[in-house]
Amino acid sequence: EVLLVESGGGSVEPGGSLRLSCGASGFTFKDQWMSWVRQAPGKGLEWVGRVKSRSDGGTREYAAPVEGRFVISRDDSKNQIYLEMNRLKIEDTGVYYCTTEMRWSGWGQGALVTVSS
Amino acid sequence: QAVVTQEPSLTVSPGGTVTLTCASSTGTVTSGHYPYWFQQKPGQAPRTLIYDTDNRHSWTPARFSGSLLGGKAALTLSGALPEDEADYYCFLSYSGARRVFGGGTKLTVL
Repeated sequence: EVLLVESGGGSVEPGGSLRLSCGASGFTFKDQWMSWVRQAPGKGLEWVGRVKSRSDGGTREYAAPVEGRFVISRDDSKNQIYLEMNRLKIEDTGVYYCTTEMRWSGWGQGALVTVSS
Repeated sequence: QAVVTQEPSLTVSPGGTVTLTCASSTGTVTSGHYPYWFQQKPGQAPRTLIYDTDNRHSWTPARFSGSLLGGKAALTLSGALPEDEADYYCFLSYSGARRVFGGGTKLTVL
């Protein structure tokens, strides 16, 4: 069974930084592309970005609203992905989910990020 | 950036059939957009129902089916149950493998 657990959420002021982590188990992590998806309070889902597997080049793609501010990375030795969020804006507030792009067969429970002054 | 459009809300009677659609601002939705469908209930993480247009996961009830219909991706629920009341999201993949979610459909079973 795919299991994903996010951590690292919290409150931060505008302009600040925060790093989320996501631990994975139940599948061959190193072979899978992994994505982050977020959901602002009372709003819909928004794709944030993705990191491909090392065998597929390990490249990363981002949605336009976060490109240049957010960085996704992975550590295959620890079965972890990370989301480094910089220059945070109020509109970045929401629940952040990590997912496996292996048929999107697993979602974490989400980590709440609040950007407020 | 492409915009993906879904019906904001739909209502279906218990036991009834309803079709949710997912349209792309760039034109016809094809299997090359690899449409996905997700279900989300209040306070819960999303759950993936359909992948690559019409494939169910092992946990997806058979009453849910995916297809392409009239230039859009479609999710059909046949024999709605009260527990199917939820928000449903689609997403489409575009060049560069960027994903774009639709705005979601709030489905009421009443």
